[in-house]
Amino acid sequence: NAGVTQTPKFRILKIGQSMTLQCAQDMNHNYMYWYRQDPGMGLKLIYYSVGAGITDKGEVPNGYNVSRSTTEDFPLRLELAAPSQTSVYFCASNLIGTEAFFGQGTRLTVV
Amino acid sequence: GQQVMQIPQYQHVQEGEDFTTYCNSSTTLSNIQWYKQRPGGHPVFLIQLVKSGEVKKQKRLTFQFGEAKKNSSLHITATQTTDVGTYFCAPRDNYGQNFVFGPGTRLSVLP
Repeated sequence: NAGVTQTPKFRILKIGQSMTLQCAQDMNHNYMYWYRQDPGMGLKLIYYSVGAGITDKGEVPNGYNVSRSTTEDFPLRLELAAPSQTSVYFCASNLIGTEAFFGQGTRLTVV
Repeated sequence: GQQVMQIPQYQHVQEGEDFTTYCNSSTTLSNIQWYKQRPGGHPVFLIQLVKSGEVKKQKRLTFQFGEAKKNSSLHITATQTTDVGTYFCAPRDNYGQNFVFGPGTRLSVLP
């Protein structure tokens, strides 16, 4: 099993550009999450999903959008990138009540 | 909403010294998980505690869940340089479906 796969690993965006961070899991997990982690800081929940077709906002959703059309995939869309969105983005998944598995992260810089 | 504190924020220890981090929630918890993140890495699951007063051990790591299920601790005996990283608690209450993390305790171990 590959677990949780995130692409790309690194990306540099210019202010105002848009991009989609990809996340896929092959463990048939119903819960999926997106977090951002600023340097030296903790994990902030952006969006989460409890199953295909269902998404909800987390702590810091502004500037982001998500979709969950399949159990496996949970892409995160950044519209009109801003320097404040420079961060490391982690995708995670789990079954309810069990441990979460994280992807390797996407390091995004907005210049 | 649920508020989570972790103390201390940082801890520097000499190799061989003990280390403890505490996680405190403003609400009664259903369960709590602990994760470790090595520098430059992604969070990795360590343990889950469910029962009031539960104590679990993993080699030099001891995890405890408070009697009132509002706090938890992680104790490392005789730290090693491999213990370096940030330790996050992830408390779960009975109401939320999302998955938030505490701010973390960053441990550095001096050889």
